[in-house]
Amino acid sequence: DGGITQSPKYLFRKEGQNVTLSCEQNLNHDAMYWYRQDPGQGLRLIYYSQIVNDFQKGDIAEGYSVSREKKESFPLTVTSAQKNPTAFYLCASSMIEGTVGVTEAFFGQGTRLTVV
Amino acid sequence: AQTVTQSQPEMSVQEAETVTLSCTYDTSESDYYLFWYKQPPSRQMILVIRQEAYKQQNATENRFSVNFQKAAKSFSLKISDSQLGDAAMYFCAYISGGGADGLTFGKGTHLIIQP
Repeated sequence: DGGITQSPKYLFRKEGQNVTLSCEQNLNHDAMYWYRQDPGQGLRLIYYSQIVNDFQKGDIAEGYSVSREKKESFPLTVTSAQKNPTAFYLCASSMIEGTVGVTEAFFGQGTRLTVV
Repeated sequence: AQTVTQSQPEMSVQEAETVTLSCTYDTSESDYYLFWYKQPPSRQMILVIRQEAYKQQNATENRFSVNFQKAAKSFSLKISDSQLGDAAMYFCAYISGGGADGLTFGKGTHLIIQP
């Protein structure tokens, strides 16, 4: 079955550590996104990528980094520079169909990151 | 930058009744798409309905329909015959036609279904 897989489901980080969240899709989608969800804040865009080896900062990119070496994969690294990383992280993908526009975004099941 | 506003943090409706969730957005684009997503307690984001801005006809999916008012930049979701399984957070979202900036979400409305 096609879909988006995020791993791990739960992740614990010590102060000062970098951690990487995995996101893989087999939908052949061009665009991939990372969102952060905090209570009462909705979803806020961290980074997005429309093609391999290219990505753009979203609204809250500070303290995060990404790579897009393969179409299927878009890992997110939460660095020690992110002062308040405890949150729920969602990865999504969508197809961009030229003049037709974008399809709806499909989401992974999320990763809950906690700083201990 | 585009903004999406959901003015109702929480709504409550009796089972089998109808409820309308509000959403307004701000954009200078003419080509864009609007969505309603549902997030149940499992936290999985589920697409409820999609509306293309160039279409005048309001989208409908079974018990879910939208009232899209382009000039007013309003995009409300109506849920008819509410069911217990409809209880969830509902998010309104916007994306420009080229998808260049990703989806912009509102802060969500928590929908409670009273049995």
